[in-house]
Amino acid sequence: SQELEQSPQSLIVQEGKNLTINCTSSKTLYGLYWYKQKYGEGLIFLMMLQKGGEEKSHEKITAKLDEKKQQSSLHITASQPSHAGIYLCGADRTGTYKYIFGTGTRLKVLA
Amino acid sequence: DAGVTQSPTHLIKTRGQHVTLRCSPISGHKSVSWYQQVLGQGPQFIFQYYEKEERGRGNFPDRFSARQFPNYSSELNVNALLLGDSALYLCASSQDRRFYNEQFFGPGTRLTVL
Repeated sequence: SQELEQSPQSLIVQEGKNLTINCTSSKTLYGLYWYKQKYGEGLIFLMMLQKGGEEKSHEKITAKLDEKKQQSSLHITASQPSHAGIYLCGADRTGTYKYIFGTGTRLKVLA
Repeated sequence: DAGVTQSPTHLIKTRGQHVTLRCSPISGHKSVSWYQQVLGQGPQFIFQYYEKEERGRGNFPDRFSARQFPNYSSELNVNALLLGDSALYLCASSQDRRFYNEQFFGPGTRLTVL
């Protein structure tokens, strides 16, 4: 079973619109990571969240981790075509040396 | 500094063959992880190696094996290829295996099994 669920699976927005992608875990997260992937290419690290309630921003992207550390959101403000791609959340599975990823959210931004 | 490099970039094999994929980590990184990403899905963890030892293994059959060399580069081997092994294989490196460790990904190797 998928331990990290992302929603929505895909998203099409008009340039300039705001959007939010969610990542939900069935277990408490110990280190939540957000990556961006262009189709068929490697992953680009965006942000890492460690503490409940933590929020980080980079340019027009803001990521938050809830207090219970089971849900994270990625918010893009004033989207641009350069934001298009696949957004993936990932997490360390404590004590197992395994790293899991969410199902991915495909974002398309219309100019 | 060069990022994570992988070779080859593309590969076409037939069922039953074996394949070797290679990964060179970022200089100074001692940990290498391998992932399989099937089209339309998130990456699935295959192996993690740290200091040449296997530290983690995902739910993949024994046809999948890997090793890490003294220079921290790594190989992923897949034997008796199946059509379902067609995927993008990603390698990632990190400095060590402590928690909250950022991973840097290579561009991937696209494997097609016919």
